[in-house]
Amino acid sequence: EAGVTQFPSHSVIEKGQTVTLRCDPISGHDNLYWYRRVMGKEIKFLLHFVKESKQDESGMPNNRFLAERTGGTYSTLKVQPAELEDSGVYFCASSPQGTNYGYTFGSGTRLTVV
Amino acid sequence: EDQVTQSPEALRLQEGESSSLNCSYTVSGLRGLFWYRQDPGKGPEFLFTLYSAGEEKEKERLKATLTKKESFLHITAPKPEDSATYLCAVQAGVGRGSTLGRLYFGRGTQLTVWP
Repeated sequence: EAGVTQFPSHSVIEKGQTVTLRCDPISGHDNLYWYRRVMGKEIKFLLHFVKESKQDESGMPNNRFLAERTGGTYSTLKVQPAELEDSGVYFCASSPQGTNYGYTFGSGTRLTVV
Repeated sequence: EDQVTQSPEALRLQEGESSSLNCSYTVSGLRGLFWYRQDPGKGPEFLFTLYSAGEEKEKERLKATLTKKESFLHITAPKPEDSATYLCAVQAGVGRGSTLGRLYFGRGTQLTVWP
């Protein structure tokens, strides 16, 4: 079974530019999560999709972040415009229906805003 | 406020030297406690889920235990390939509505096992 795939693996952009991160979950997983780890801090929740619907987006830092999951398959996370504090590693995870399973995480996208 | 604290931040062990990692948590109604392993440049890899105090789970040289306030990850006779960052995360319990799915992570313990 293919795992959770994220790309790009690395992205370096200038402040004010736009970046779009993509996540392909495990096929058939209804739940898709985005998390972020800022240097020196713990991994923090951003949002949770159940199929194509946003179940919980209370972790999104501000309205510069926009997540979509069209058709309940892959998801994108757009940052527009990017700020220096957005730098970090963005992880995507997926899990089957029901929320008490160990998630499967992707390898992450390392975003650097300069 | 839901919180997870892991200790120590870093641990160096000689191969074969057993030890334990600690995860203390405060959450209103624990639904599950998760242990993950993370290697450099990779995402967290699921190890265990514990659901109630007194529960124990084992996998090779790793054993996870749970009390009402903390969890321990015991590493018996570690090998260099056990070197990684070990992450603890909790999932809050019922009554949380739409936020039920999220995990709260600790900062991790970076384990180094040298030959």
